Amino acid sequence: EPEVTQTPSHQVTQMGQEVILRCVPISNHLYFYWYRQILGQKVEFLVSFYNNEISEKSEIFDDQFSVERPDGSNFTLKIRSTKLEDSAMYFCASTSLGGETQYFGPGTRLLVL
Amino acid sequence: AQSVTQPDIHITVSEGASLELRCNYSYGATPYLFWYVQSPGQGLQLLLKYFSGDTLVQGIKGFEAEFKRSQSSFNLRKPSVHWSDAAEYFCAVGGIGGGFKTIFGAGTRLFVKA
Repeated sequence: EPEVTQTPSHQVTQMGQEVILRCVPISNHLYFYWYRQILGQKVEFLVSFYNNEISEKSEIFDDQFSVERPDGSNFTLKIRSTKLEDSAMYFCASTSLGGETQYFGPGTRLLVL
Repeated sequence: AQSVTQPDIHITVSEGASLELRCNYSYGATPYLFWYVQSPGQGLQLLLKYFSGDTLVQGIKGFEAEFKRSQSSFNLRKPSVHWSDAAEYFCAVGGIGGGFKTIFGAGTRLFVKA
């Protein structure tokens, strides 16, 4: 069964550094998403992406964040200058046209020191 | 605004006993409803989903959920809990807005005692 993959599984970085989280969505899917889950809290929507542009973003997704689909398979989340409060699990998801069921990746655990 | 409420932060159930996890949602249109399970440090596994039709839906691992429009609820049930069911359970509403985002509840942590 096709699945969403994410790399790396864990990343540790210093405050102020840039990080790029990578995702490979399911190949025929058209909508792509990033969600965040701070330890012990609920999963929060960050951004949705369709047709090479952001279709919706939350208030969390400020100027420090950006997303890109650099080629036909990858979908990335960049955090320009990480803060301590960016420490969280980041989930990528994708869905086909119609957007009924989102398929989530295994997550990247980001720790900012 | 859309929201998902899981009123129980944690629940403890004896192994073999029945389980019901509560979920209420606030959404203007007919919702897409989901239950996910998350083991510690792991990703999100889809247990079941409701889009339309029969309001009682069956999922994996012996779980089922019932959609009740009049109560805006989508409660998750299992007739006999196993120790391996101990995890965090998230109710979610999907297909929201132009980007079809998903909104999650705060989660219910299930503890299973022997």
